[in-house]
Amino acid sequence: RKEVEQDPGPFNVPEGATVAFNCTYSNSASQSFFWYRQDCRKEPKLLMSVYSSGNEDGRFTAQLNRASQYISLLIRDSKLSDSATYLCVVNRAGNNRKLIWGLGTSLAVNP
Amino acid sequence: GAGVSQSPSNKVTEKGKDVELRCDPISGHTALYWYRQSLGQGLEFLIYFQGNSAPDKSGLPSDRFSAERTGGSVSTLTIQRTQQEDSAVYLCASSPGPPVDTGELFFGEGSRLTVL
Repeated sequence: RKEVEQDPGPFNVPEGATVAFNCTYSNSASQSFFWYRQDCRKEPKLLMSVYSSGNEDGRFTAQLNRASQYISLLIRDSKLSDSATYLCVVNRAGNNRKLIWGLGTSLAVNP
Repeated sequence: GAGVSQSPSNKVTEKGKDVELRCDPISGHTALYWYRQSLGQGLEFLIYFQGNSAPDKSGLPSDRFSAERTGGSVSTLTIQRTQQEDSAVYLCASSPGPPVDTGELFFGEGSRLTVL
């Protein structure tokens, strides 16, 4: 089992739709969680950190469920420009602390 | 420039040749990562430099791969005797400190390596 798993998609949604992605992680001691966005043939860029209490940035909401070991990203009122791959990133806790990357979920927002 | 700079942006080489990829991190950033990404695949960790600590080389796929970081700034990734399976985009990222806490890595645009 991978340390960080994501549904690869692709998710195809119409403009204006609400879409949600989940990401599960296996290390229960992980403490830091992040969502990155990667446009086609571009480098990844940090979208938002995920805080225990959940956090919102405009149309984007990130939540953490420690009991079930998953994080989620909700995008409301999706725009064409939201089309990208969304990468889940989790820190590996302990002596070998390292960021572990999911393979990403592909989103295509259609007109 | 203000961002992470990588060169070359594209490199086509013949199987068996050596290649060097360069990364110029953001000034003052102590953490530097090398990743590679094959078409349609996720990020594969290669090596991590943090300040003056010994680098974490656990992701290097074989002894043909090596990296160094001189003076805590510029880094070079060297691939010896390239193979076709080395074809990928090699991404460099830097961070002001250990990114496991802040999670914020600043990536360069990558070096696309094609081995014929």
